[in-house]
Amino acid sequence: AQKVTQAQTEISVVEKEDVTLDCVYETRDTTYYLFWYKQPPSGELVFLIRRNSFDEQNEISGRYSWNFQKSTSSFNFTITASQVVDSAVYFCALEGGQNFVFGPGTRLSVLP
Amino acid sequence: DAEITQSPRHKITETGRQVTLACHQTWNHNNMFWYRQDLGHGLRLIHYSYGVQDTNKGEVSDGYSVSRSNTEDLPLTLESAASSQTSVYFCASSVEKSTDTQYFGPGTRLTVL
Repeated sequence: AQKVTQAQTEISVVEKEDVTLDCVYETRDTTYYLFWYKQPPSGELVFLIRRNSFDEQNEISGRYSWNFQKSTSSFNFTITASQVVDSAVYFCALEGGQNFVFGPGTRLSVLP
Repeated sequence: DAEITQSPRHKITETGRQVTLACHQTWNHNNMFWYRQDLGHGLRLIHYSYGVQDTNKGEVSDGYSVSRSNTEDLPLTLESAASSQTSVYFCASSVEKSTDTQYFGPGTRLTVL
């Protein structure tokens, strides 16, 4: 069975701090995809990144970076110099075979 | 611009009633998905479709049904609404199968009294 764990239910940081959101996954598939989505207070879901299981290179996009480590089954997300607009719920998701599983989400509050 | 829409955005209904939530996308995507979002559970897959006349059950399909008569629409029907189905429902679509990026609709908040 596939599973995504986001152990941090809620995180609060002060603006300009760096913050890392953890994501640990379980799957028996050798080919799979990992995703991060952002859900701001307005409620919509915003796609952030997709990473396939054969590409362990870390990725950086502006203030966002992702660290994929197959050895620990983790796909962590770091926001550098956080801003108030980063306040949202962040979901990690796993796709393998025909199953698409989301983690429970981490609520990030960035305080001014 | 191409988009994905859901209607209604908010719905209140009574236990036992049949309810249909609409999802419409103008991207001409083959694949469409329905999720429900509940606190502590994240998003859970209800049903999905890889093309016209194709439908598949997801993780939490009991009490729900879908039909795909054209590319643009995947309506979700609650045959006999239950209070446990109070949730926020998201529709999504993608070009390729589920490995591709999914684009989400704005969500429908359903309350079953």
